[in-house]
Amino acid sequence: QSVLTQPPSASGTPGQRVTLSCSGSSSKIGSNHIFWYQQLPGTAPKLLIYKNNQRPSGVPDRFSGSKSGTSASLAISGLRSEDEADYYCAAWDDSLSVWVFGGGTRLTVL
Amino acid sequence: QVQLVESGGGVVQPGTSLRLSCAASGFSISTYVMHWVRQAPGKGLEWVAFIWYDGDDKYNADSVKGRFTISRDNSNNTLYLQVNSLRAEDTAVYYCARETRGLAFDIWGPGTKVIVSS
Repeated sequence: QSVLTQPPSASGTPGQRVTLSCSGSSSKIGSNHIFWYQQLPGTAPKLLIYKNNQRPSGVPDRFSGSKSGTSASLAISGLRSEDEADYYCAAWDDSLSVWVFGGGTRLTVL
Repeated sequence: QVQLVESGGGVVQPGTSLRLSCAASGFSISTYVMHWVRQAPGKGLEWVAFIWYDGDDKYNADSVKGRFTISRDNSNNTLYLQVNSLRAEDTAVYYCARETRGLAFDIWGPGTKVIVSS
């Protein structure tokens, strides 16, 4: 059981906008930044969003992040088949002094 | 080119040990906090450990405390994970990752697979 909660699956059709959620306690999300990672099948994770809503260079602006209170979201607009992947949120847990990941959401593009 | 490459994985029996290595190129690990993250087959990501720039401070996940030790050799630009008393539940792909301040894990290696089986 992950301490950051993500729905196990989500789906959308090409061109659609989808939103993936990540929720946790105040010690994990409330006071710290959220990071999002994309893991394509058979590959290592890749940083997608940092500090809640910032995109590293090279990440398309179709990907956007937000955070409100103890919940965070990753939105993907103009969904493409190549977006089919697992998406993980992560945060530093102040109370345990550890990094924590959500359980991941598998996004299927129908 | 900035990259990390792990090595040292394999198929081992329960109770045995391995030393995983992570060779960095294109940057100096001495100016970064470094991490190990693992992923069991079909499961999500699990943070394992990190080590401060000079190696003085280290933090481990509870699941590996007392069995796994993270270390670094800045002169050889290499990160290590000594994994002892291996259990079946340690079977996973082990990734090393670089932490850039504010960006969390911004560079990942391709991973090395550890299979613990009798």
